[in-house]
Amino acid sequence: RKEVEQDPGPFNVPEGATVAFNCTYSNSASQSFFWYRQDCRKEPKLLMSVYSSGNEDGRFTAQLNRASQYISLLIRDSKLSDSATYLCVVNFRSGGGGNKLTFGTGTQLKVEL
Amino acid sequence: GAVVSQHPSRVICKSGTSVKIECRSLDFQATTMFWYRQFPKQSLMLMATSNEGSKATYEQGVEKDKFLINHASLTLSTLTVTSAHPEDSSFYICSARDPRGVDTQYFGPGTRLTVL
Repeated sequence: RKEVEQDPGPFNVPEGATVAFNCTYSNSASQSFFWYRQDCRKEPKLLMSVYSSGNEDGRFTAQLNRASQYISLLIRDSKLSDSATYLCVVNFRSGGGGNKLTFGTGTQLKVEL
Repeated sequence: GAVVSQHPSRVICKSGTSVKIECRSLDFQATTMFWYRQFPKQSLMLMATSNEGSKATYEQGVEKDKFLINHASLTLSTLTVTSAHPEDSSFYICSARDPRGVDTQYFGPGTRLTVL
């Protein structure tokens, strides 16, 4: 089983649509959670952190369910510029005291006119 | 602006040569940097954790003698792919951990390596 699992998509949606991505993680010791955005042939960029209480940043809402080890990202009023791959990222502290980010394979979003 | 830079952004080399990639943190001192590799349509895979002033910690399956990491200063880590082969062709990305934030990592723009 992969440590972080995501539906690869692609999700093809019309401009203005609401779209939701889900992610599950296997390590119950995971401590922090993020959504990153990666454009084609570019580095990942942090979109938002994810908190148990849920958090919102403009059109983006992230939710974390620790009991189910499940993370979600909701994008409202999709824009063409939202087209990208969205990476679910989980951080946990390794035995040596350092922390490691584990990436999902990403969910591809294509927003169309 | 960018807080982590990588150089070169793209390199094409012949099989058997060695390639050095530099990763610099521009806005902060990074005691810890990370090296990732990403093959097409796959996720980023952590190769190693680079610790300033000490040996790097390699992930399982990553050959430390092939991927040499040096973190000689608080702003610079280098990855050298020794005796590169076509299967080493990939997108190599570094990140630097910002000690001022909680678990915050900033990524460099990546280096696309093509080994002929």
